[in-house]
Amino acid sequence: NAGVTQTPKFQVLKTGQSMTLQCAQDMNHEYMSWYRQDPGMGLRLIHYSVGAGITDQGEVPNGYNVSRSTTEDFPLRLLSAAPSQTSVYFCASSYLSKQGSPIYNSPLHFGNGTRLTVT
Amino acid sequence: AQSVAQPEDQVNVAEGNPLTVKCTYSVSGNPYLFWYVQYPNRGLQFLLKYITGDNLVKGSYGFEAEFNKSQTSFHLKKPSALVSDSALYFCAVRPDRGSTLGRLYFGRGTQLTVWP
Repeated sequence: NAGVTQTPKFQVLKTGQSMTLQCAQDMNHEYMSWYRQDPGMGLRLIHYSVGAGITDQGEVPNGYNVSRSTTEDFPLRLLSAAPSQTSVYFCASSYLSKQGSPIYNSPLHFGNGTRLTVT
Repeated sequence: AQSVAQPEDQVNVAEGNPLTVKCTYSVSGNPYLFWYVQYPNRGLQFLLKYITGDNLVKGSYGFEAEFNKSQTSFHLKKPSALVSDSALYFCAVRPDRGSTLGRLYFGRGTQLTVWP
């Protein structure tokens, strides 16, 4: 059981380049999300998804795109990288249950992160 | 607006002493509260959560947290610190209502250092 797997672990981009950060989970979690972590800022939500074909914006979505074609995968695309996107990116997933509101009870499972540097 | 505050960037404690990492929150409705720990170059790991019921919640690795509704606090505690507890700790809150389904609001993190 691998949990949440993120690739690559490290990436250096030049300004204007594009790339995709991969995220896959094998826990059959409906909910998946992307956060960025910057020093002194905590974690900020970029995009999230509550199931295949359903995505929505979080707190800091500009410059990022997502899609969810399968339950397992939730890639994050940088269309034109900027130095402000230098950060550590975390993918996280959790269950969504239909009984009452236990989605709020389910802790997030995090990947080990992708450290991105944009020069 | 939903928010989480961790008033201390750093907490230093000697091994064997009790530790407290503070967290206060502001949220609409009832809060679901979480503590996560992050070791260097790793993702966040779930420690414990408060949903309802007993105000003292026990979690992984001997950690516990005390929920105080009147003070809107959820402080993380451990009776006897270990050097291996040294890590970055995040408090998070998830409102029971709101527009961003399932979203967790994170504090900025507290670096805990336990000295041998």
